[in-house]
Amino acid sequence: EVQLVQSGAEVKKPGESLKISCKGSGYSFTSYWIGWVRQMPGKGLEWMGIIYPGDSDTRYSPSFQGQVTISADKSISTAYLQWSSLKASDTAMYYCARLVPDIAIIDYWGQGTLVTVSS
Amino acid sequence: DIQMTQSPSSLSASVGDRVTITCQASQDISNYLNWYQQKPGKAPKLLIYDASNLETGVPSRFSGSGSGTDFTFTISSLQPEDIATYYCQQYDNLLSLTFGGGTKVEIK
Repeated sequence: EVQLVQSGAEVKKPGESLKISCKGSGYSFTSYWIGWVRQMPGKGLEWMGIIYPGDSDTRYSPSFQGQVTISADKSISTAYLQWSSLKASDTAMYYCARLVPDIAIIDYWGQGTLVTVSS
Repeated sequence: DIQMTQSPSSLSASVGDRVTITCQASQDISNYLNWYQQKPGKAPKLLIYDASNLETGVPSRFSGSGSGTDFTFTISSLQPEDIATYYCQQYDNLLSLTFGGGTKVEIK
């Protein structure tokens, strides 16, 4: 069974750093792109970026370039999303998602990680 | 970047009603358009891919159509369990995705 299991909810202060994770299982982790999606409170879905764990090829949506870092450790089938200095506006639910090979159809989603940034 | 305009942003309908949601792309995306359902507190779920293909296990009351810039998502007979927010998503290439703004469907 394909699963994407994300790390737990986080409460951070502005200026702090954070790295959240997404562990894949039940499939060949290195053969599928993994993307990250932001959902701010009461708002819609925003595509942040994507990584191919097989070779760590990473691309960012223009809106998120320079704001976050996407990485992966294929030895433990885990993708990451990190911030070096959080802002209150980073408060959101973050989902990781698996894309069907060669086409941008999201067939599996993680359960989401809620990040709250507040002083 | 390709923009997706989804409408309406919300709707209220009765059980058994036919519900239609539209999504318009800012440029031709062929049939590279998917539809997702998100229930409150849950991750989204794929319903329709490539504009009109029903994902395995999804009830047949859900359907999609369109190509180019104009797309339609239909629930033929609204059921109570269909209460959710629906999103379209385009991909002009694997690395460039955009979601529509979402349509919240409620029961009247």
